Amino acid sequence: DVKVTQSSRYLVKRTGEKVFLECVQDMDHENMFWYRQDPGLGLRLIYFSYDVKMKEKGDIPEGYSVSREKKERFSLILESASTNQTSMYLCASRTPPENTEAFFGQGTRLTVV
Amino acid sequence: GENVEQHPSTLSVQEGDSAVIKCTYSDSASNYFPWYKQELGKRPQLIIDIRSNVGEKKDQRIAVTLNKTAKHFSLHITETQPEDSAVYFCAASSSSYKLIFGSGTRLLVRP
Repeated sequence: DVKVTQSSRYLVKRTGEKVFLECVQDMDHENMFWYRQDPGLGLRLIYFSYDVKMKEKGDIPEGYSVSREKKERFSLILESASTNQTSMYLCASRTPPENTEAFFGQGTRLTVV
Repeated sequence: GENVEQHPSTLSVQEGDSAVIKCTYSDSASNYFPWYKQELGKRPQLIIDIRSNVGEKKDQRIAVTLNKTAKHFSLHITETQPEDSAVYFCAASSSSYKLIFGSGTRLLVRP
């Protein structure tokens, strides 16, 4: 059974903290994505990785960075958390060729206070 | 950059009626168009997809149409049921590996 797992379901952090969101997939997928989901704005792409150690900016990368040291793990890093980064974060993965289904994790609801 | 616009943002229909959700995309290189359904508190899941070499695809009560010239694609749900109530997202993807989503449509099916 396909599985994409995010390390936390709920997270509360303080302004200025460095925050790590972890995502692990067990499907040997090359492509992995981080999105944030906000009401009325849909799923906005933050960063994606098409292979190990490869990463590209999405539409809203400001304030975020990513790490992909191993194929199965893709981490989203908030260098200095701010209240406007309070959101639902979703990780997804899929395998090339690009015309394939993406599988999502269960989401991490991050609150920055 | 690539952009996907989705309309309407909310849609309310009577059980048994049809529902149509429309999307437009900006990247002419897009060649894969999936639709995802997200029920309350759950992760998005693929319900149907279409590739650029096909104009229409149907799966039971769900169908998707694609007009490459106009850069439009649409989701059609017939004989709607209360369990169809959810948020629906369209998306577009090209060889750049990006998968870009629309802003979502909240569908409510009234019993």
